[in-house]
Amino acid sequence: GESVGLHLPTLSVQEGDNSIINCAYSNSASDYFIWYKQESGKGPQFIIDIRSNMDKRQGQRVTVLLNKTVKHLSLQIAATQPGDSAVYFCAENYNSGSARQLTFGSGTQLTVLP
Amino acid sequence: DGGITQSPKYLFRKEGQNVTLSCEQNLNHDAMYWYRQDPGQGLRLIYYSQIVNDFQKGDIAEGYSVSREKKESFPLTVTSAQKNPTAFYLCASSLTGSNYGYTFGSGTRLTVV
Repeated sequence: GESVGLHLPTLSVQEGDNSIINCAYSNSASDYFIWYKQESGKGPQFIIDIRSNMDKRQGQRVTVLLNKTVKHLSLQIAATQPGDSAVYFCAENYNSGSARQLTFGSGTQLTVLP
Repeated sequence: DGGITQSPKYLFRKEGQNVTLSCEQNLNHDAMYWYRQDPGQGLRLIYYSQIVNDFQKGDIAEGYSVSREKKESFPLTVTSAQKNPTAFYLCASSLTGSNYGYTFGSGTRLTVV
């Protein structure tokens, strides 16, 4: 899985299988988390978010799980498709004093195999 | 359609030149941000602004400058003092307050020639 500061890990899955992308976040005071998808040469796009008072949230084909005890976030993609191939970033949001900012992980490269 | 627009998509700079990257949003967002992305790495914050006429340095502000004269616009200048400017630059905007994500532009790829 990814963690802030590490180089890009990779994950390869067969088309139709489920994908799980992991993220270890850094700040126990973070109270809002987001997953972004970034295709090559494009800007990141919002996928799904979750607040710290939840441990699971589902979207269309995607589920985010939050484990605050171990500061771990995961993104599950059901029935992975070729169009899911991209870099996936997690981001955590906490109050850094003067302003709230998002801190991004280094990302995971997901490759969907035919 | 509301969104955030970066221009140009590709930019080439000769050594010793300053170049300015444009970022415009019509989302009525108060906060705007500039990130740098190098190959295989995450996003690093250069500058951010939460209100017009005010901006703050991020983690890697050296060699960069910004202005925020209008709510909609947050241009980034890459100066000749930035020794390794070749990178993908991303602009983002958001509402202020808690629990808001960022909306990103499509990026500008800057190359030193």
